[in-house]
Amino acid sequence: DAGVIQSPRHEVTEMGQEVTLRCKPISGHNSLFWYRQTMMRGLELLIYFNNNVPIDDSGMPEDRFSAKMPNASFSTLKIQPSEPRDSAVYFCASSIPGQGEKLFFGSGTQLSVL
Amino acid sequence: SQQGEEDPQALSIQEGENATMNCSYKTSINNLQWYRQNSGRGLVHLILIRSNEREKHSGRLRVTLDTSKKSSSLLITASRAADTASYFCATRETSGSRLTFGEGTQLTVNP
Repeated sequence: DAGVIQSPRHEVTEMGQEVTLRCKPISGHNSLFWYRQTMMRGLELLIYFNNNVPIDDSGMPEDRFSAKMPNASFSTLKIQPSEPRDSAVYFCASSIPGQGEKLFFGSGTQLSVL
Repeated sequence: SQQGEEDPQALSIQEGENATMNCSYKTSINNLQWYRQNSGRGLVHLILIRSNEREKHSGRLRVTLDTSKKSSSLLITASRAADTASYFCATRETSGSRLTFGEGTQLTVNP
């Protein structure tokens, strides 16, 4: 299996632009998580889905952030409009409930908003 | 806020020595997990210990859990330069599927 696949690997954009991050979970995994990692705040859970349904989005910073999971093999995290304070590494992870729910992480997207 | 707090924040040792990292948490948990992150990479799951377990081993890793003290430790024995990475504990609370990460310990193993 190829593991969790995220794209793009790096994204540099200007303040005010829309940013879309993409994630393909491991086949057969029915839970998907979006995390953000910064030096100041560490790893923060933004949102997670079970069976394509958003379960907990309490970590989404504000209305500029939105996430979708249209099917079991694809999810997006969108920031519109982006701001410099959104600069971070965004990780997607997937898991299988019932197996201790250990997470399998993608390689992350390094986002820089100028 | 972070559920888990790792101690120390940074640890530097010589190859062959043992490395011990500690994690404290605040709420009741279902399980506690340790992850490793190499620079510029995603996190990799190392080991999981359930709330009714006290100790677990996996290769050179040994994890303990003390639910009365709400703390866990990760011991890496006979460390290698390749063990250099950040190590995070993560707790799964008894309610919900949320997995909350601590701030991590940066381990450097000098050859």
